[in-house]
Amino acid sequence: ETGVTQTPRHLVMGMTNKKSLKCEQHLGHNAMYWYKQSAKKPLELMFVYSLEERVENNSVPSRFSPECPNSSHLFLHLHTLQPEDSALYLCASSQASGRTLYYTRNEQFFGPGTRLTVL
Amino acid sequence: SQQGEEDPQALSIQEGENATMNCSYKTSINNLQWYRQNSGRGLVHLILIRSNEREKHSGRLRVTLDTSKKSSSLLITASRAADTASYFCATDTKYSGAGSYQLTFGKGTKLSVIP
Repeated sequence: ETGVTQTPRHLVMGMTNKKSLKCEQHLGHNAMYWYKQSAKKPLELMFVYSLEERVENNSVPSRFSPECPNSSHLFLHLHTLQPEDSALYLCASSQASGRTLYYTRNEQFFGPGTRLTVL
Repeated sequence: SQQGEEDPQALSIQEGENATMNCSYKTSINNLQWYRQNSGRGLVHLILIRSNEREKHSGRLRVTLDTSKKSSSLLITASRAADTASYFCATDTKYSGAGSYQLTFGKGTKLSVIP
């Protein structure tokens, strides 16, 4: 166990559904991340949250909406997804350090992922 | 284009043999990290090596970094069937003019250790 949990582990949804992915970290970290892992593509960073504020959004479509109510919880709200959004969605956390919150100074701890299938 | 690229894409060895995976990158880095992923699961951090370090060990793992060649290698000694997984290198790349960095992952090396 890495100290990062994700629910659900598997999700099948239609293109018109609305669902949410949940991530929780028990490590006391101050930064959390959403990544997308598609077959035969490198892991893609979607969102970064630090101190509960969204810091980066890597040009992710608006059908993905993140929410970070506190430093331990991170959600990814999904609506009107496309079949090409089917992928493994990974949550991660780390301790960002320095005045400019250097996110890559330390290792990231990943959850087990949610396998999403969009029909 | 992606920052880190692992080589080979796939590697199959017998249990007890050593496994070597390589990672090349394009731009200067502050650090480089290696992660392991078992099929369909989350990534597990293995080793972080900083740009001023040349070699690092952790148990049966040995990582080297050559910043002049912009490359790193991960060596797993005396491999076990449980080492079967995909291995990724990740480098810190500057994301925006604000000075923030993100981890950029390669496509990984799929290692199969045959009992």
